[in-house]
Amino acid sequence: GAGVSQSPRYKVAKRGQDVALRCDPISGHVSLFWYQQALGQGPEFLTYFQNEAQLDKSGLPSDRFFAERPEGSVSTLKIQRTQQEDSAVYLCASSLGGADEQFFGPGTRLTVL
Amino acid sequence: QKEVEQDPGPLSVPEGAIVSLNCTYSNSAFQYFMWYRQYSRKGPELLMYTYSSGNKEDGRFTAQVDKSSKYISLFIRDSQPSDSATYLCAMSDGRGSTLGRLYFGRGTQLTVWP
Repeated sequence: GAGVSQSPRYKVAKRGQDVALRCDPISGHVSLFWYQQALGQGPEFLTYFQNEAQLDKSGLPSDRFFAERPEGSVSTLKIQRTQQEDSAVYLCASSLGGADEQFFGPGTRLTVL
Repeated sequence: QKEVEQDPGPLSVPEGAIVSLNCTYSNSAFQYFMWYRQYSRKGPELLMYTYSSGNKEDGRFTAQVDKSSKYISLFIRDSQPSDSATYLCAMSDGRGSTLGRLYFGRGTQLTVWP
């Protein structure tokens, strides 16, 4: 497809489970961003990749959160030992370069019970 | 205090009304200012992108940036029911390794009724 895709669209996890969220950016986009959007809030920055290099991970809330983009295309956000406060929509965005328009995917809605 | 403040609304207006949305911010390093529209259960989509102070117009939408007051606005003329969505302001300082990192407001929920 032409846009950013994310999978799964919805994920329900029991507290303590590990989850992996996938992002397929627009082909050729160098930059990839992950954001977390809690209910009724704006997106909050988590981490940023330029190709396969993770240049900024200052927004990751704890060491339970880990992101990778090994071949500079698809990215995975992994959350270990999920907690209820991790419940949110996780948005992925890609852009041609770091300062260019970011195109967002539809998000993955994570619910931790 | 968050770096970007935005009144969450909700805002409800009749079709054809002029809508005014705004955000304030505290970080004087912000240089790039954006407005995104987000429909329910969708990702944000870019509406307007402005660099530094000034006005920008695109069809029914006008974005204004006043860096001296740290205040940005979005005006929607002749509003339509299809404009019903959440509007997010976003901004960036455009520096260093976090060139594209965006700081968002919490969004204003807008309903335009026919």
